[in-house]
Amino acid sequence: NAGVTQTPKFQVLKTGQSMTLQCAQDMNHEYMSWYRQDPGMGLRLIHYSVGAGITDQGEVPNGYNVSRSTTEDFPLRLLSAAPSQTSVYFCASRRRTENTEAFFGQGTRLTVV
Amino acid sequence: DAKTTQPNSMESNEEEPVHLPCNHSTISGTDYIHWYRQLPSQGPEYVIHGLTSNVNNRMASLAIAEDRKSSTLILHRATLRDAAVYYCILSSYFGNEKLTFGTGTRLTIIP
Repeated sequence: NAGVTQTPKFQVLKTGQSMTLQCAQDMNHEYMSWYRQDPGMGLRLIHYSVGAGITDQGEVPNGYNVSRSTTEDFPLRLLSAAPSQTSVYFCASRRRTENTEAFFGQGTRLTVV
Repeated sequence: DAKTTQPNSMESNEEEPVHLPCNHSTISGTDYIHWYRQLPSQGPEYVIHGLTSNVNNRMASLAIAEDRKSSTLILHRATLRDAAVYYCILSSYFGNEKLTFGTGTRLTIIP
């Protein structure tokens, strides 16, 4: 059982480049979300999805796009990378019912130079 | 979303019990109390959650005040592997598609 898988684990981008952070889960969870974590801070919600075809903005959505075409995958796109987007990114998934636990990936450490 | 308040940091001796407090004075009747922890260089992991009654699992115990305005995560016998940042989070029964993290409590275990 792989859980939540994020790729890549590390990435360096130049300012202005675009890229997609991948997130996949194999637990058939309806809810998926993306967070960023800056040094010494808690996690902040970027975007989330309650099911295939449905996404919504979180606390810090600017500069990021998401889509959810399947239950399993929830990619995060950086449109034009900026140094302020240097952070560690975490993807999470959760079952819709029963207010149960969320499962997190191991994170993607992104540096924008 | 209702807010939680936790101490920034705590220290505990190895093999001793640890009590991590959390205040949530604006909690609503449909809010569950969740605890997650984040080990160094890892994603958060679930620890325990509850609604009204105290809860136990293999990792920890959760003690919830009778008025639900505070709770305490109890690690019965801390080990060095329990050194982490612990987050107390409220998750509504309705609209629980996202979790709101605060800054958590950084727990240091002293050998």
